[in-house]
Amino acid sequence: GAVVSQHPSRVICKSGTSVKIECRSLDFQATTMFWYRQFPKQSLMLMATSNEGSKATYEQGVEKDKFLINHASLTLSTLTVTSAHPEDSSFYICSASLDRVRGNEQFFGPGTRLTVL
Amino acid sequence: QKEVEQNSGPLSVPEGAIASLNCTYSDRGSQSFFWYRQYSGKSPELIMSIYSNGDKEDGRFTAQLNKASQYVSLLIRDSQPSDSATYLCAVYGQNFVFGPGTRLSVLP
Repeated sequence: GAVVSQHPSRVICKSGTSVKIECRSLDFQATTMFWYRQFPKQSLMLMATSNEGSKATYEQGVEKDKFLINHASLTLSTLTVTSAHPEDSSFYICSASLDRVRGNEQFFGPGTRLTVL
Repeated sequence: QKEVEQNSGPLSVPEGAIASLNCTYSDRGSQSFFWYRQYSGKSPELIMSIYSNGDKEDGRFTAQLNKASQYVSLLIRDSQPSDSATYLCAVYGQNFVFGPGTRLSVLP
């Protein structure tokens, strides 16, 4: 149980185009979904937290107009990187939170590797 | 700023030995504690969660929590080369905060 999928797994695009990444919780309803970015040999960086039906909460320094997050249902969140540039090339990982009585375990999707040419 | 700290490593242990990974956190109100394993180029995978003081064992893994000292650890017994990865400590209080990770290398 607690499987999270992400699509696509890898994308290469030209500078200036927009890329949409989907994150789905397959066998549970996720109250909260998170989006992370990870550069090579660096730690996870939380970009934003989203709850179904409400606006995402972005971390300091993350441009909300550039990284559009839509959390349409309890099983689907999307991240759109608008007007992507080479510096946006990174490993984007989503996670979904499964409420427990005393904690909120996060389960991660497999990640999307974005390369902007 | 709520923080979670880990030694970055690399921590090198011989195959069959016990690997000990440590984590400290600053938010005394934290309620839930997690260990994730991340292989290079892959996303993190949850391996242990612990909520109360003491030890929790799952196979070769033992998580230890001491809330008074704000300390959580992960022990890996009979370490295998396949355990070589980065281990992330995560703490949930008001927010979910990840540590920077400790890179473990198990030498054959």
